[in-house]
Amino acid sequence: GQQLNQSPQSMFIQEGEDVSMNCTSSSIFNTWLWYKQDPGEGPVLLIALYKAGELTSNGRLTAQFGITRKDSFLNISASIPSDVGIYFCAGFSIQGAQKLVFGQGTRLTINP
Amino acid sequence: EADIYQTPRYLVIGTGKKITLECSQTMGHDKMYWYQQDPGMELHLIHYSYGVNSTEKGDLSSESTVSRIRTEHFPLTLESARPSHTSQYLCASSGRQGPGGELFFGEGSRLTVL
Repeated sequence: GQQLNQSPQSMFIQEGEDVSMNCTSSSIFNTWLWYKQDPGEGPVLLIALYKAGELTSNGRLTAQFGITRKDSFLNISASIPSDVGIYFCAGFSIQGAQKLVFGQGTRLTINP
Repeated sequence: EADIYQTPRYLVIGTGKKITLECSQTMGHDKMYWYQQDPGMELHLIHYSYGVNSTEKGDLSSESTVSRIRTEHFPLTLESARPSHTSQYLCASSGRQGPGGELFFGEGSRLTVL
């Protein structure tokens, strides 16, 4: 099946630092979604991207749909303690049966 | 925020028991999904439905079954639970017509089989 490679797997940063994570695929995607999941909860949608090159912000979060349509990144600026959690990229490939595929997740830990 | 609800949130049962995890959404979404997730790991699609009386198996093989008799309801059933079924089960829905679309997730049902 389709696979997404998400990196890094984990990040340990100081409060106030900026964060960057990305996802890549070997196939073309027509939708990229970024989710955040807190322990014991379901994923919450942060940003949705539908067009190649699209750059979208949600507060301190910014995500971009790569021009090649095979990658996407998420940036978090000026991190705060509540940013702690696991961030997942997800996408719909132009192949397959419209099933959302998830990356492996990036676990973000913030030292105060 | 999405209106999608899962019950129970937590369930601890013995081997061999039959269990049903409930999922309901009040948004009138046609598409509904079940994902299985081990703690801190990626999500794996186990079942999906594009409408009433439509169900399909996902990418990860699962011994569970689902039904979609009503648009708003998408329960998942395990006829005989085993310790290997211990996991978190996440239900999601999407209202977008055609390909793609944002999925909205419930809070999950964490199942422990002893």
